[in-house]
Amino acid sequence: AQRVTQPEKLLSVFKGAPVELKCNYSYSGSPELFWYVQYSRQRLQLLLRHISRESIKGFTADLNKGETSFHLKKPFAQEEDSAMYYCALSSSGNTGKLIFGQGTTLQVKP
Amino acid sequence: SAVISQKPSRDICQRGTSLTIQCQVDSQVTMMFWYRQQPGQSLTLIATANQGSEATYESGFVIDKFPISRPNLTFSTLTVSNMSPEDSSIYLCSVSGNLNTGELFFGEGSRLTVL
Repeated sequence: AQRVTQPEKLLSVFKGAPVELKCNYSYSGSPELFWYVQYSRQRLQLLLRHISRESIKGFTADLNKGETSFHLKKPFAQEEDSAMYYCALSSSGNTGKLIFGQGTTLQVKP
Repeated sequence: SAVISQKPSRDICQRGTSLTIQCQVDSQVTMMFWYRQQPGQSLTLIATANQGSEATYESGFVIDKFPISRPNLTFSTLTVSNMSPEDSSIYLCSVSGNLNTGELFFGEGSRLTVL
């Protein structure tokens, strides 16, 4: 079965501390993985995708096929990073359908 | 990018009634997607709305409960029929930004509370 698991509902860190939001997936084919973010009172939006291998707002995520993971990392958290983060898997090639994890709330304390 | 407007943004409904959510996109798109986010849960795809054909429903969702219209390339509606408290959720409309990248753009959601 195709599944995305985010084991932490809440991650609380202090400003300047490193952050790692965990994501594991189950998928039989070649996965396309994404991180979406929802800031307070804003709509859900794409943060980054594994294909691009990009760093957005200091965040990076590496696809590890051996561990079936796609953890989101940032070396120094900022207060404005506080948000809900969703890991998502594209399940059907290019149809745009996504399977989402349950989300992790990141709280960055001053 | 695409700008998506949903109406209503929130509503409180009585058990047994039906409510229609509207989704308007600022550009023509082939596919539109309706997701549900129950309290404390993740987003789950309800159906894919294609212009000119019947919507395609995911496992666990049926047309009688969630009828969808897609009259043109910029608009879609989702109706939640015969509502019960279990239907209290945020319903989100989304469209593909780029089929090659899998990116989705989302509306702000419609928060329904069923009493």
